[in-house]
Amino acid sequence: QVQLVESGGGVVQPGGSLKLSCAASGFTFDSYGIHWVRQAPGKGLEWVAFIRYDGSNKYYADSVKGRFTISRDNSKNTLYLQMNSLRAEDTAVYYCAKEMYYFGSGTDAFDIWGQGTMVTVSS
Amino acid sequence: DIQMTQSPSSLSASVGDRVTITCRASQGIRNYLAWYQQKPGKVPKLLIYAASTLQSGVSSRFSGSGSATDFTLTISSLQPEDVATYYCQKYNSAPPLTFGGGTKVEIK
Repeated sequence: QVQLVESGGGVVQPGGSLKLSCAASGFTFDSYGIHWVRQAPGKGLEWVAFIRYDGSNKYYADSVKGRFTISRDNSKNTLYLQMNSLRAEDTAVYYCAKEMYYFGSGTDAFDIWGQGTMVTVSS
Repeated sequence: DIQMTQSPSSLSASVGDRVTITCRASQGIRNYLAWYQQKPGKVPKLLIYAASTLQSGVSSRFSGSGSATDFTLTISSLQPEDVATYYCQKYNSAPPLTFGGGTKVEIK
């Protein structure tokens, strides 16, 4: 079935780095844009970043711009989020989420979500 | 950036009640609005897209309406399994794809 599985979360010190992965299966990965969304403990959803199906366009929330980098390897059906200069306020569950329609440009609802991976930034 | 404001932030209603949640955009977004349900400890789930289109497999108790700046999510007859936090999201342009602050629905 259509599935997204995140990994790579953990505990990291402020200023440190972490790289998240999102493995896709059950659909044509290279035809869909994918987003990262995060949720701090007890808080709401915050959109983080988007990458177009072919990697040609990438968008970031202001809160992570310059620190986070989204990328994808379509040959491995995998999405990544490289997180540098981490801060306490980056502590959250990070979800990857798929756009509804193929060949989209970041302007679709999210129809499939992964189970999330927890990132804790603490000394 | 366009801001998305949901109200109320929480509500408590009885089983069988009709429940309405509103979402207001600070600028017009046509019908580029989605609603998600997040049950406690679970992953968000798409309920409605394009403001009023029910996602496949979602109960017909849920309906959405509105356009431009004002939108509503209605649960026609609240059930215990509807206990969740509901989020609206605008997706007319990127970035950012902003979520509303959420509405927590509980059973009275």
